[in-house]
Amino acid sequence: DTGVSQDPRHKITKRGQNVTFRCDPISEHNRLYWYRQTLGQGPEFLTYFQNEAQLEKSRLLSDRFSAERPKGSFSTLEIQRTEQGDSAMYLCASSFSTGTGTSAFFGQGTRLTVV
Amino acid sequence: SQKIEQNSEALNIQEGKTATLTCNYTNYSPAYLQWYRQDPGRGPVFLLLIRENEKEKRKERLKVTFDTTLKQSLFHITASQPADSATYLCALPLRAGNMLTFGGGTRLMVKP
Repeated sequence: DTGVSQDPRHKITKRGQNVTFRCDPISEHNRLYWYRQTLGQGPEFLTYFQNEAQLEKSRLLSDRFSAERPKGSFSTLEIQRTEQGDSAMYLCASSFSTGTGTSAFFGQGTRLTVV
Repeated sequence: SQKIEQNSEALNIQEGKTATLTCNYTNYSPAYLQWYRQDPGRGPVFLLLIRENEKEKRKERLKVTFDTTLKQSLFHITASQPADSATYLCALPLRAGNMLTFGGGTRLMVKP
């Protein structure tokens, strides 16, 4: 297993376009998280799946953001009608639930630039 | 509101010295706290987790303390090396499910 994989690594899009990012977690991990990180800041939590169930999505930044995890494997994060303020690094992480407090394994992120 | 503060100024130290980074939090009662390392253009990498009933945790040259009364964690790197240069992030759980909220990170620069 090569860890958490994200695709693409970089995406440049025009304002108003839709973009979709993919995350492949570590295969035995049942939890998957999406974070956003802007320059000089720590990652900001967006949403969380346990298997295929999206258990927390209230922190998605707006209704333009949506995420799916069909069949509890890979996940996609979609941003509709992109705005310049959406430019950031989008990070995916996965973990295996063994009770309270488990480490998260992060991917390398997708850097989005909206022009 | 809940807040995590890390020194936003870079910490510059000489190789071989001990680096000490601080994480302060307010309006939390976390069951645990985590530290991550992040290199430029890469995702964070987990380093250490310390639980609320643990005062101190060690891993090789790393040591973390957790004072729930002061609401503070200290992260130490002993015998620092230039390869330790990176941004270090502390993280607390939002709630069950290990959803994390991160501090802004402190950039450490170790000079040879």
